[in-house]
Amino acid sequence: GAGVSQSPSNKVTEKGKDVELRCDPISGHTALYWYRQSLGQGLEFLIYFQGNSAPDKSGLPSDRFSAERTGGSVSTLTIQRTQQEDSAVYLCASSPLNTGELFFGEGSRLTVL
Amino acid sequence: SQQGEEDPQALSIQEGENATMNCSYKTSINNLQWYRQNSGRGLVHLILIRSNEREKHSGRLRVTLDTSKKSSSLLITASRAADTASYFCATDARSNYQLIWGAGTKLIIKP
Repeated sequence: GAGVSQSPSNKVTEKGKDVELRCDPISGHTALYWYRQSLGQGLEFLIYFQGNSAPDKSGLPSDRFSAERTGGSVSTLTIQRTQQEDSAVYLCASSPLNTGELFFGEGSRLTVL
Repeated sequence: SQQGEEDPQALSIQEGENATMNCSYKTSINNLQWYRQNSGRGLVHLILIRSNEREKHSGRLRVTLDTSKKSSSLLITASRAADTASYFCATDARSNYQLIWGAGTKLIIKP
């Protein structure tokens, strides 16, 4: 596909369970971002990957959140022991180097019951 | 914390009218971007304006930037029902990759 692909599009889980969200960026894009968007709000930065550099994890809200990017391509965001306040849309974006423009996926909507 | 602030928070106009949204920010920037988000979808990049630019056009979109007032405006001319969406501004004030996002303006175009 030509765009950023995210899966699953919707995930309902019980409090305390772990979830994994996947992002497949546009081929050739070196930068990859994860954002969180609560209902009616703007975007909250979570983590940034750029090529082989160490990721910027400064936006991760707690140690229950982690992310990795394998082979400079696909990324997985993992939330352990989910809480109700984790319910949100998780957006992934990729970008070519130094252009500034972000290309977003359609998001993964997480609902924690 | 969010630096960008859009106003109004919501705007409802008749199809064919022009829509203007504003974005203010607090610290100096290299560039400012506008994005559109249709309900339940991802964001789509509309336009990027650099700090040394004052105005930029793309189709029915016109963006202005006033660095002395730390503000930007997005004008959509001859609005259409398909323009119904939320519009966000984002600045690179924190770093050249970590954008700071406003809470958005929700635009409704009435047929």
